[in-house]
Amino acid sequence: AQSVAQPEDQVNVAEGNPLTVKCTYSVSGNPYLFWYVQYPNRGLQFLLKYITGDNLVKGSYGFEAEFNKSQTSFHLKKPSALVSDSALYFCAVREGGGYNKLIFGAGTRLAVHP
Amino acid sequence: EADIYQTPRYLVIGTGKKITLECSQTMGHDKMYWYQQDPGMELHLIHYSYGVNSTEKGDLSSESTVSRIRTEHFPLTLESARPSHTSQYLCASSDFDGADTQYFGPGTRLTVL
Repeated sequence: AQSVAQPEDQVNVAEGNPLTVKCTYSVSGNPYLFWYVQYPNRGLQFLLKYITGDNLVKGSYGFEAEFNKSQTSFHLKKPSALVSDSALYFCAVREGGGYNKLIFGAGTRLAVHP
Repeated sequence: EADIYQTPRYLVIGTGKKITLECSQTMGHDKMYWYQQDPGMELHLIHYSYGVNSTEKGDLSSESTVSRIRTEHFPLTLESARPSHTSQYLCASSDFDGADTQYFGPGTRLTVL
């Protein structure tokens, strides 16, 4: 069975510092991994995805994520956080191939302080 | 510009009313989805569709129903709204592009009094 875990309910970081939002997953086969961001009273906005290839994936707004197969992780990172990055972040996983559904994590709230 | 739309954005209604939440996409995607989300909480898949005349129930039991008569349109209906239906409803769509990346609409915040 597929599953995804975001171990931190909230991450606090000072503006200008690097940020990391953690995600671990479990699938039987090859994982397709995604990060989404949600601002208040809005839908989810796609940030980036990993399907295959380079383990470091670059996405929107300066975000990137590193796929680590041995640790079954897909942590979201940004070298320098902005106050405007404060939002709810969701990791999601789908087992590649077929009609497997996308499984979302519970979300991590990122708070960037000035 | 290709996009996914949801109307209304906010809806406050009384118990027992019938409501339909609209979702339309102009991206030509075959797959569409409805999620229910309490504010700031995790998403729960309640319905999905792989194409016209295809509808399936999701992981979370819901009293709502859906239809897919046109590729671009995937409305969700509650025959008799109750306070327990108060939530945010998110519509999404994806294409059979291998990755199956889902793109979300802005959501409808429903409050049932």
